[in-house]
Amino acid sequence: GIQVEQSPPDLILQEGANSTLRCNFSDSVNNLQWFHQNPWGQLINLFYIPSGTKQNGRLSATTVATERYSLLYISSSQTTDSGVYFCAVRPESWGKLQFGAGTQVVVTP
Amino acid sequence: DVKVTQSSRYLVKRTGEKVFLECVQDMDHENMFWYRQDPGLGLRLIYFSYDVKMKEKGDIPEGYSVSREKKERFSLILESASTNQTSMYLCASSPQRGGGQETQYFGPGTRLLVL
Repeated sequence: GIQVEQSPPDLILQEGANSTLRCNFSDSVNNLQWFHQNPWGQLINLFYIPSGTKQNGRLSATTVATERYSLLYISSSQTTDSGVYFCAVRPESWGKLQFGAGTQVVVTP
Repeated sequence: DVKVTQSSRYLVKRTGEKVFLECVQDMDHENMFWYRQDPGLGLRLIYFSYDVKMKEKGDIPEGYSVSREKKERFSLILESASTNQTSMYLCASSPQRGGGQETQYFGPGTRLLVL
């Protein structure tokens, strides 16, 4: 099956810093999503981005489908950005989303 | 807003008990999913359903079964709970769209401890 690798596994940031999270995948995809899981366990969908670039406030994401990677940018980080960020991909029109292992982000005041 | 609810946030059961986890979504979504989440392993799909009374195995179906009698409700059943089923269980739903372009919406999760 498709392999999904996220890096780094852990990230500690000071409030106000910028960061980049990466998701590499081993096959062509037509569905790629980024999720944020808050410290209470709730997963929130951040972006549906199988290709191109999107922005939502301080977060933005870019997927370069031909090179099989996606990047999530966090700018001016806040303590509420803490949690685990997951990348999930699907390699075909109807199949299962495959999740990466996640990046644990801690933003300190 | 899409709302996905799960019957319990925390659950403690004994080995051998039958356990029911329920998930309800209010957006008339066709697809529903059950995942388990363990540290370092991300989310792994247990079962999913794309219609009432339909179910498909995911990556780790052993020891679990599911039921979908109504469109809005998807139940996960542990027939005989074991300690290695201690985990966080997450339910999700998504609309049925062509090309696989649907977004999944998650419930708050159930932390299950099997003693």
